[in-house]
Amino acid sequence: SQQGEEDPQALSIQEGENATMNCSYKTSINNLQWYRQNSGRGLVHLILIRSNEREKHSGRLRVTLDTSKKSSSLLITASRAADTASYFCVGAAGNMLTFGGGTRLMVKP
Amino acid sequence: DTGVSQDPRHKITKRGQNVTFRCDPISEHNRLYWYRQTLGQGPEFLTYFQNEAQLEKSRLLSDRFSAERPKGSFSTLEIQRTEQGDSAMYLCASSAPLDNYNEQFFGPGTRLTVL
Repeated sequence: SQQGEEDPQALSIQEGENATMNCSYKTSINNLQWYRQNSGRGLVHLILIRSNEREKHSGRLRVTLDTSKKSSSLLITASRAADTASYFCVGAAGNMLTFGGGTRLMVKP
Repeated sequence: DTGVSQDPRHKITKRGQNVTFRCDPISEHNRLYWYRQTLGQGPEFLTYFQNEAQLEKSRLLSDRFSAERPKGSFSTLEIQRTEQGDSAMYLCASSAPLDNYNEQFFGPGTRLTVL
């Protein structure tokens, strides 16, 4: 099993600012995934980056992966109040996903 | 809605009672997962099915917990003799058979409160 550990644990920013969350994991992975969870929509898959990729974009999301450092980052640009949620990174290798404690992001209007 | 569904959404029970939750995965997904999440924590893996076969179980899954997926479609999670420590959100997820990257789609969860 893999484990993602997010940093910081909590982040508060103003609407329009960028939010950066970091993640570290412990062992080799096949891919790394980011999920978002809020009370309205539950746990939702955001983006997946394969172990042979270094950067990936999806809309306002940018994910980087450094397998040599076993770390990843998630950047949300031009944040919106609706981005307020907990964000989890998950290193995946096999059938089980192991979540860390998440980063709780608050975007103030 | 063709996403993962769970029933009930909320369950309040007294300590010592048995409870059963149901999960209906996305129809073409053959892999199904159960997780438990407590307040302020990330989801913790409980068990995994591929079709009807239960292939992995976490150490968290005590003898009071049992999960089934009899026909490879919906799944049930039963907790016997509930304890207050069982209070949590129980999440179900599914993933597609040809997905080598195991992107999982989660249901809304069943929130269990044991009094």
